[in-house]
Amino acid sequence: NAGVTQTPKFRVLKTGQSMTLLCAQDMNHEYMYWYRQDPGMGLRLIHYSVGEGTTAKGEVPDGYNVSRLKKQNFLLGLESAAPSQTSVYFCASSDPGSRYEQYFGPGTRLTVT
Amino acid sequence: AQSVSQHNHHVILSEAASLELGCNYSYGGTVNLFWYVQYPGQHLQLLLKYFSGDPLVKGIKGFEAEFIKSKFSFNLRKPSVQWSDTAEYFCAVMQSPGGFKTIFGAGTRLFVKA
Repeated sequence: NAGVTQTPKFRVLKTGQSMTLLCAQDMNHEYMYWYRQDPGMGLRLIHYSVGEGTTAKGEVPDGYNVSRLKKQNFLLGLESAAPSQTSVYFCASSDPGSRYEQYFGPGTRLTVT
Repeated sequence: AQSVSQHNHHVILSEAASLELGCNYSYGGTVNLFWYVQYPGQHLQLLLKYFSGDPLVKGIKGFEAEFIKSKFSFNLRKPSVQWSDTAEYFCAVMQSPGGFKTIFGAGTRLFVKA
């Protein structure tokens, strides 16, 4: 039981490049989330999903897209990376059965130069 | 818009000192409340949560928090901290019922001196 995993762990991009971050969970959770963590700002919700095939915008969705084609996977895409997207990205999952406690992945540190 | 405020960004304590970290939120309806902790180099993990009932909730590692509805507060406490409590602590609020989004505070970095 690996919980929530994220790949890659680190990435450096040049401005304008694209990439996809993968999140996978093996707990059969319905809900999945993508956050970014910046110093002094806590975690801010980018996008979330309440089930397979569904996605919704969070607090800071601009510049990101997501897809949830399979229940266990939640992908975060950056189409044209910008330096402002330098951050640590966390994926999380939760379920009504666990009273919405969120289980987090280890994070992806992304630097955009 | 809903917001969560954590009053202290950095706290430094000596071992055995008492800890209280403040958390206030702005949402006026029913809420579910959480404290998460991130130890250096580790994932965020749940410390404790409040959904209903006794407003004083106990979590792991001797932490507790008190929900005071009239003050929109959910402060975290520990009577005697240890060096191993050095971590970043996040308060989080989720609207209830029906809300899926959780709003996090900016976090408080706690450093405990041995």
